[in-house]
Amino acid sequence: QSALTQPPSASGSPGQSVTISCTGTSSDVGGYNYVSWYQQHPGKAPKLMIYEVSKRPSGVPDRFSGSKSGNTASLTVSGLQAEDEADYYCSSYAGSNNLGVFGTGTKVTVL
Amino acid sequence: EVQLLESGGGLVQPGGSLRLSCAASGFTFSSFAMSWVRQAPGKGLEWVSAMSGSGSSTHYADSVKGRFTISRDNSKNTLYLQMNSLRADDTAVYYCAKGGITSPGMDVWGQGTTVTVSS
Repeated sequence: QSALTQPPSASGSPGQSVTISCTGTSSDVGGYNYVSWYQQHPGKAPKLMIYEVSKRPSGVPDRFSGSKSGNTASLTVSGLQAEDEADYYCSSYAGSNNLGVFGTGTKVTVL
Repeated sequence: EVQLLESGGGLVQPGGSLRLSCAASGFTFSSFAMSWVRQAPGKGLEWVSAMSGSGSSTHYADSVKGRFTISRDNSKNTLYLQMNSLRADDTAVYYCAKGGITSPGMDVWGQGTTVTVSS
């Protein structure tokens, strides 16, 4: 399985929105509604932010939203805050005989 | 409190072996698939292996297939990763996570344990 493709970086000013893309294939992102997004601060473990494309776990602010169109999933962070500065990774189910696959990661900078 | 605590990392020579452990608490361990995810220095996340709650189903990344073995002891609420024939490119922080390939995301992560393969 090849890694899903994410832009290396994204940025926005406080209060603005930033959208991160995650592009796969019909064998992963496009084939199933099992895309997750993780936030990782430096030196910390990843944290689940979005699952099943657009669902938020309890405790995750509604500033975080997810969507999917075809083979590309997206994470949008609205009302950017300083604490949103982190690395973000998408992940997708890739079939019953395969491990899932992660994206290449995107570093979000709050200007 | 739901918690995962990894242990067993360290420095090992190329070709050596290491066994990682992940002690789980705060949830019914046997009901959930579990995974190992690693992150090489300065790199992204790589899903290494996953196992179903019963232990009957396992999956491995091509990069570790035949060298790593995932297992679990549901009576001890512990997940393991036996790593053999270690190579320099196995150097990474290894995370234990609650969730598997069909789970709605990995919702609990340990703090990670560092494995360094070097002579």
